[in-house]
Amino acid sequence: QVQLVESGGGVVQPGRSLRLSCAASGFTFRSYAMHWVRQAPGKGLEWVAVISYDGSNKNYADSVKGRFTISRDNSKNTLYLQMNSLRSEDTAIYYCARDASSVGWHGEEGFDPWGQGTLVTVSS
Amino acid sequence: DIQMTQSPSSVSASVGDRVTITCRASQGLSSWLAWYQQKPGKAPKLLIYAASTLQSGVPSRFSGSGSGTDFTLTITSLQPEDFATYYCQQANSFPLTFGGGTKVEIK
Repeated sequence: QVQLVESGGGVVQPGRSLRLSCAASGFTFRSYAMHWVRQAPGKGLEWVAVISYDGSNKNYADSVKGRFTISRDNSKNTLYLQMNSLRSEDTAIYYCARDASSVGWHGEEGFDPWGQGTLVTVSS
Repeated sequence: DIQMTQSPSSVSASVGDRVTITCRASQGLSSWLAWYQQKPGKAPKLLIYAASTLQSGVPSRFSGSGSGTDFTLTITSLQPEDFATYYCQQANSFPLTFGGGTKVEIK
């Protein structure tokens, strides 16, 4: 079945770095754009970044631009989020999600499926 | 950036009730709007995309309507498993943005 599994979360000090991974299975990973979405504790959803199916195009939320980098390895069916210069406000559950459209990358057909999420806590 | 405003922020309803949630965009979206359901401790689940297209496997008591700046998610005959938080999301332009959420609680 189609599945996304995130890993790499944990507790990190402000200013440090962390890399999240999202392992995909059950579908042709290289055919779909992929997104990261986060959710701070008790808060709503915030879109973070997107990468096109081949990795040639990327887009970021203003809140992470210049600090976070999205990437993918289609040979390993894996999505990444490199997070640098972390701040307390980056504390959240980070979800990876597949763009449901096989031709777009704006989420025109929504995000489906989502992973279970990985918790990132930025604290000294 | 496109701002998404959901209302109400919470609603109390009983099993069998009809519930309507609205989502207003600060700019026109055409029909590029999706709705998600999220239960506590779980990832969001896609319900509707392109404003009114029901995702495969989603019960037909869920429906979406609207275009431009005003959209609606309707749940007819609320079921116990429908008590959750619902989010709208615009897919018109980057950065993609979500509404603040509507919590559907048991009356």
